[in-house]
Amino acid sequence: SQQGEEDPQALSIQEGENATMNCSYKTSINNLQWYRQNSGRGLVHLILIRSNEREKHSGRLRVTLDTSKKSSSLLITASRAADTASYFCATVETSGSRLTFGEGTQLTVNP
Amino acid sequence: DVKVTQSSRYLVKRTGEKVFLECVQDMDHENMFWYRQDPGLGLRLIYFSYDVKMKEKGDIPEGYSVSREKKERFSLILESASTNQTSMYLCASSLTPGVGEAFFGQGTRLTVV
Repeated sequence: SQQGEEDPQALSIQEGENATMNCSYKTSINNLQWYRQNSGRGLVHLILIRSNEREKHSGRLRVTLDTSKKSSSLLITASRAADTASYFCATVETSGSRLTFGEGTQLTVNP
Repeated sequence: DVKVTQSSRYLVKRTGEKVFLECVQDMDHENMFWYRQDPGLGLRLIYFSYDVKMKEKGDIPEGYSVSREKKERFSLILESASTNQTSMYLCASSLTPGVGEAFFGQGTRLTVV
């Protein structure tokens, strides 16, 4: 079964707007990661947040983690057309080395 | 830079064939993963390996097996390919998931006819 579930499944915004994607998961985790995938390509790692962290920034990316609600959000500020891609959250459980992905959010940024 | 290389970008096989998908990483990573990706279903974990000759089933191992004889190479085997195994297959590696990120290959789009 899928560990992470992203919300929304699809998001369409205008260039310059902010994009927020949410992820929920089911088990205790060691860390949560966000990845990006351009159409038909492999995934690229964006950011990792550990279970004892609440917020992390990287450039235009801001990730939050709420372990009590088992949820995370990815905020992309001042979006660009080049940000158009699918975004996935992935979790590493405390019990082992399994890296489990959600179903992803398809982000479209219109010029 | 870390490089994860999958042997084929596109592959067409016939039903019933035995299919081998190869993945090689060049960074001495301990962990390697095989996923399949289908529209609307995200990435589903088939098998992963945390050491040479060690493997664990993921969420959808049925119809698949794996081999890891050397640290850098992780092979996915479709024992008898079926049309419902038509999919994008993604290989990934990581030093240890608890420490850092996973690096992905470019994917193999397999079509079983």
